[in-house]
Amino acid sequence: KAGVTQTPRYLIKTRGQQVTLSCSPISGHRSVSWYQQTPGQGLQFLFEYFSETQRNKGNFPGRFSGRQFSNSRSEMNVSTLELGDSALYLCASSLTAASNYGYTFGSGTRLTVV
Amino acid sequence: GDSVTQMEGPVTLSEEAFLTINCTYTATGYPSLFWYVQYPGEGLQLLLKATKADDKGSNKGFEATYRKETTSFHLEKGSVQVSDSAVYFCALSVLTGNTGKLIFGQGTTLQVKP
Repeated sequence: KAGVTQTPRYLIKTRGQQVTLSCSPISGHRSVSWYQQTPGQGLQFLFEYFSETQRNKGNFPGRFSGRQFSNSRSEMNVSTLELGDSALYLCASSLTAASNYGYTFGSGTRLTVV
Repeated sequence: GDSVTQMEGPVTLSEEAFLTINCTYTATGYPSLFWYVQYPGEGLQLLLKATKADDKGSNKGFEATYRKETTSFHLEKGSVQVSDSAVYFCALSVLTGNTGKLIFGQGTTLQVKP
């Protein structure tokens, strides 16, 4: 059974650019969540998608957005990149939204903004 | 609000030593509790979980018991190996209606020396 797949693994972007990250959940999982990991702030929730609808959003500016497709694959987009957006972005999937049984994480996308 | 506090690291142990990583939480309602592990350059792996008070989660020699009276979920292992060197994250799930998210502690780095 394939795990959660995130692409690309590494990205280097310039300030002001935009970036799109992709996540393919485990087959059959319909919920996808995104987290940002930085040394200073730790792991912070970005948003959760289920059945192509954003169910929840964390405390991030509107430059951070996402979407989910009918096959449950998800993308997140960051516009007008800032140096502080440099982070490891982790995607997690679960069978349903509001899961009390844990989430399976991908290996992440390491974004560096220069 | 809901939060998780972990003991500060790094924790350095010799192989075969006993491990305890403390985790306490603050939550409204009755969250599920998790321990995740992150190896260098990788995403998060679910190590163990407990969904209700007095549950004991266990996996690969690691154990943690959900203690509602002390709001704790301490991670223990009787004999650590060099391969256990990683960052360990305690987390709780917050469910609101039809959505949920994980709230993480700041992580504890474990280094096991031969």
